[in-house]
Amino acid sequence: NAGVTQTPKFRVLKTGQSMTLLCAQDMNHEYMYWYRQDPGMGLRLIHYSVGEGTTAKGEVPDGYNVSRLKKQNFLLGLESAAPSQTSVYFCASSYPLTTGAINQPQHFGDGTRLSIL
Amino acid sequence: GESVGLHLPTLSVQEGDNSIINCAYSNSASDYFIWYKQESGKGPQFIIDIRSNMDKRQGQRVTVLLNKTVKHLSLQIAATQPGDSAVYFCAEISGTYKYIFGTGTRLKVLA
Repeated sequence: NAGVTQTPKFRVLKTGQSMTLLCAQDMNHEYMYWYRQDPGMGLRLIHYSVGEGTTAKGEVPDGYNVSRLKKQNFLLGLESAAPSQTSVYFCASSYPLTTGAINQPQHFGDGTRLSIL
Repeated sequence: GESVGLHLPTLSVQEGDNSIINCAYSNSASDYFIWYKQESGKGPQFIIDIRSNMDKRQGQRVTVLLNKTVKHLSLQIAATQPGDSAVYFCAEISGTYKYIFGTGTRLKVLA
């Protein structure tokens, strides 16, 4: 039962470098999300996807790009890293939320800790 | 990880006692609520959820209470154990994807 797997777990970048964070889920979930978690703040949504080939902006999308080429994978890219992007990044996945009795919580990976110098 | 919890309110509880963690939510249109547990260096882990058409839901050693009148959510943990030490936060959900997460409360279990 792998659930949601994120790679890498840790990374240090220099300002201006680029990198891609990988997220894979094996639960056949339609929806996938990228969040960042910073001290004193709740999780903030960067981008999300409601299905293969579709992506949309969340609350804090600037400086990030995403792709969902396969249903099970959701990639987060930083084209030119900045110190303000130092954070812990979490990927999550879920079935679509529907009205009614079926509850479908998001399932999270264990995060990527990214430091930008 | 540890840096996420630097500015969080802390609840200290004796092992074996009951814990109550509170959360105020913001959107009266939110219709689904979740409590998550986050241990150091790990991702948030689902604990229990509740729909807005309910005011109480029980799981194993945990109970969630929802008061829509004052937009308040609480998590009760019975017979708190050392393994319950973590950061707990609530999420309110409206629509099909929009989650709003609280900043969390750190629970410390004292032996």
